[in-house]
Amino acid sequence: KNEVEQSPQNLTAQEGEFITINCSYSVGISALHWLQQHPGGGIVSLFMLSSGKKKHGRLIATINIQEKHSSLHITASHPRDSAVYICAVRDGGATNKLIFGTGTLLAVQP
Amino acid sequence: GAVVSQHPSWVICKSGTSVKIECRSLDFQATTMFWYRQFPKQSLMLMATSNEGSKATYEQGVEKDKFLINHASLTLSTLTVTSAHPEDSSFYICSAPRLEGGEQFFGPGTRLTVL
Repeated sequence: KNEVEQSPQNLTAQEGEFITINCSYSVGISALHWLQQHPGGGIVSLFMLSSGKKKHGRLIATINIQEKHSSLHITASHPRDSAVYICAVRDGGATNKLIFGTGTLLAVQP
Repeated sequence: GAVVSQHPSWVICKSGTSVKIECRSLDFQATTMFWYRQFPKQSLMLMATSNEGSKATYEQGVEKDKFLINHASLTLSTLTVTSAHPEDSSFYICSAPRLEGGEQFFGPGTRLTVL
């Protein structure tokens, strides 16, 4: 079993829909990252969370430390949101190593 | 936000040659950088942790003599794929955490194709 599990693996949505991507982890962490990877390969860090909720534009990320679960929400989705979304947790030790989920491939259709 | 660059963005080489990939943190100092490889439709796999001024730490199963890492300054780490073979063809990405806050910044990646 992976230490970081994401669901769903693939998601197709219509433009304007509200999207939720889930991430569960089984290890102790110091922070959780949500990353976005576009087809060209470049990775953008969307959020880094250690508690609560963060919002940036149409994106919202929440984390429940007790339940070891995080969600990424996209409101009013748009075709340009199409990408792979990756959940990664930073281990609870002294390093800044990240453990990655397998990613969620999102396609938003016009 | 902070920027991490990689060079080259893509490279094609013949089997048996060596290829060097550079990772630079452009506006902050990075005592640690991470090197990953990613195969198509798979997630990132950590290869090694590059430490400024000391030896890199390699993940299990990664050959240190094949993937040479040098972190000679606080803004530059290099990964050299020695005697490259077609199975080394992959997408190589570096990241650097900023000490203040711990946020990680990723390079744009280098696509290596070994013929």
